[in-house]
Amino acid sequence: SQTIHQWPATLVQPVGSPLSLECTVEGTSNPNLYWYRQAAGRGLQLLFYSVGIGQISSEVPQNLSASRPQDRQFILSSKKLLLSDSGFYLCAWGRDRNIQYFGAGTRLSVL
Amino acid sequence: AQSVTQLDSQVPVFEEAPVELRCNYSSSVSVYLFWYVQYPNQGLQLLLKYLSGSTLVKGINGFEAEFNKSQTSFHLRKPSVHISDTAEYFCAVRGSEKLVFGKGTKLTVNP
Repeated sequence: SQTIHQWPATLVQPVGSPLSLECTVEGTSNPNLYWYRQAAGRGLQLLFYSVGIGQISSEVPQNLSASRPQDRQFILSSKKLLLSDSGFYLCAWGRDRNIQYFGAGTRLSVL
Repeated sequence: AQSVTQLDSQVPVFEEAPVELRCNYSSSVSVYLFWYVQYPNQGLQLLLKYLSGSTLVKGINGFEAEFNKSQTSFHLRKPSVHISDTAEYFCAVRGSEKLVFGKGTKLTVNP
């Protein structure tokens, strides 16, 4: 069966520090991969999605970037975190764009 | 473009009472509709989906939803809720582009 791993579960970072969140999928190949951010009371905001290695689509201009160095690995990064980057970050994968399976999330607090 | 409106941000109910969580969508193309559940500090889990066929869709944990094209709605229902159903519920629509989520409804089941 397919599983999705996301780490770390929680992260506290100072303003201006770099960020790297990693997501990996097991049990499938060539998945579509997604990064979402969830802020309190604002639902889920799609940040990036990828349909293949090296192919990244950005949905929202921001302080973040994403990369897909391997088929089942998706990384969310920032060179300098802002206070507004705080939130709950979710990675997801899908075989088509209709159904997406989510990781457990990373709670990021920027102080 | 597609959009989703979840009409209630919070729904408190007593245990064993019925519940309905409302969702309305807009889309200019055929839609695929989904409900996801998120327990505290966890990722999202697919509850049920409507892709085609019968407009009454049954999902996990005793939930069901009815697709109503004329009213552009996809309300989620459960005849008798449990304490363990306390969570946040997200409606989502997939049209010709990406998955679009509503802002969520927090269901609180009280004893």
